[in-house]
Amino acid sequence: EAQVTQNPRYLITVTGKKLTVTCSQNMNHEYMSWYRQDPGLGLRQIYYSMNVEVTDKGDVPEGYKVSRKEKRNFPLILESPSPNQTSLYFCASSRSQGAVYGYTFGSGTRLTVV
Amino acid sequence: KNEVEQSPQNLTAQEGEFITINCSYSVGISALHWLQQHPGGGIVSLFMLSSGKKKHGRLIATINIQEKHSSLHITASHPRDSAVYICAVISGGSNYKLTFGKGTLLTVNP
Repeated sequence: EAQVTQNPRYLITVTGKKLTVTCSQNMNHEYMSWYRQDPGLGLRQIYYSMNVEVTDKGDVPEGYKVSRKEKRNFPLILESPSPNQTSLYFCASSRSQGAVYGYTFGSGTRLTVV
Repeated sequence: KNEVEQSPQNLTAQEGEFITINCSYSVGISALHWLQQHPGGGIVSLFMLSSGKKKHGRLIATINIQEKHSSLHITASHPRDSAVYICAVISGGSNYKLTFGKGTLLTVNP
């Protein structure tokens, strides 16, 4: 089944403890991206990657890192999480050529930083 | 002002009613997406439009590029249609960046 897999689904952590949220897709998509969703603000892009070793900042990249060493994986790294990073996170992927083929989203990761 | 505005923010309907959700945007775009998010659930892509109209079952999406406006219609609404519907645009200058509306919460009562 074609899908984007995020792990974990739920995570509670403490301020300053490094964490990684994994994202993997099995569709050979070139484009992958991370979003956070907050009440009243909607979805906002954190980082995106147009291909292996090619990443760029979205609208809210502060406090996050990403890497794209393999085509299928695009982990989101929080080196020193803070409470304002408590949010619902989504990973998405798409074929190349301007993403005109639509996006496939992961199931989401609900992160709480205390 | 947000680049993507949706209306209404909240919508309550009775089962069987015809539903319309609107999306207006202020930038040039290469495509527009309608997404569905059930409570506590993931996000599903419903439509991708660059012109005209698309239909899938009871859902119809239209876009007017000149007026920078899109609508999502649901015919014969059902309680299982209750969800947040999100409009997202891909800016014309970049083929990859999605900008989202804040969503419309639809509740369909039996």
